[in-house]
Amino acid sequence: NAGVTQTPKFQVLKTGQSMTLQCAQDMNHNSMYWYRQDPGMGLRLIYYSASEGTTDKGEVPNGYNVSRLNKREFSLRLESAAPSQTSVYFCASRFRANLPDTQYFGPGTRLTVL
Amino acid sequence: GNSVTQMEGPVTLSEEAFLTINCTYTATGYPSLFWYVQYPGEGLQLLLKATKADDKGSNKGFEATYRKETTSFHLEKGSVQVSDSAVYFCALDAPGSSNTGKLIFGQGTTLQVKP
Repeated sequence: NAGVTQTPKFQVLKTGQSMTLQCAQDMNHNSMYWYRQDPGMGLRLIYYSASEGTTDKGEVPNGYNVSRLNKREFSLRLESAAPSQTSVYFCASRFRANLPDTQYFGPGTRLTVL
Repeated sequence: GNSVTQMEGPVTLSEEAFLTINCTYTATGYPSLFWYVQYPGEGLQLLLKATKADDKGSNKGFEATYRKETTSFHLEKGSVQVSDSAVYFCALDAPGSSNTGKLIFGQGTTLQVKP
């Protein structure tokens, strides 16, 4: 099993450009999450999908959109990138949202917006 | 609301020293508590967890006890190694009322172990 995979690993964008970060899991998990990691701030939740067919805003959703394409895939889209979105983005999944299960994280995407 | 506070880093220790990283939390109800570790250039990995008061999570020589009376979940290791150098995150998960499964993270504590 590959676990949680993310593409790309690195990306540089210019202000105003758009891009989609891809995430997939092969553990048959129901819930998926997108976080951003900034120095000194831990991880903050952007959007999540508690189950296939549902998505909800997290703590810092502005400037992002998500799509739960199917049970395996959960993508994050930046429509018009801004320098404030320079960060490391992590996708995570867990079996069920309402159980204290482990969240499994992908390796991250390092995004720089110039 | 729910929150997690970790001790400020970085923490620098010599090999074989004793490690404590403090973590306290604020939460409604009875959260589950986690420690995650992030090695350089990698994603987060679960280190240990505890789901109810007085539970002790342990893994790879690390331990943490869920103390409800002091709302704490401090991470300890008796003898650190250079390979333990990483960023450690305390997190809580308050499922049930919201059914979101989202984790609330502390800001992370960087540990550097010198030979």
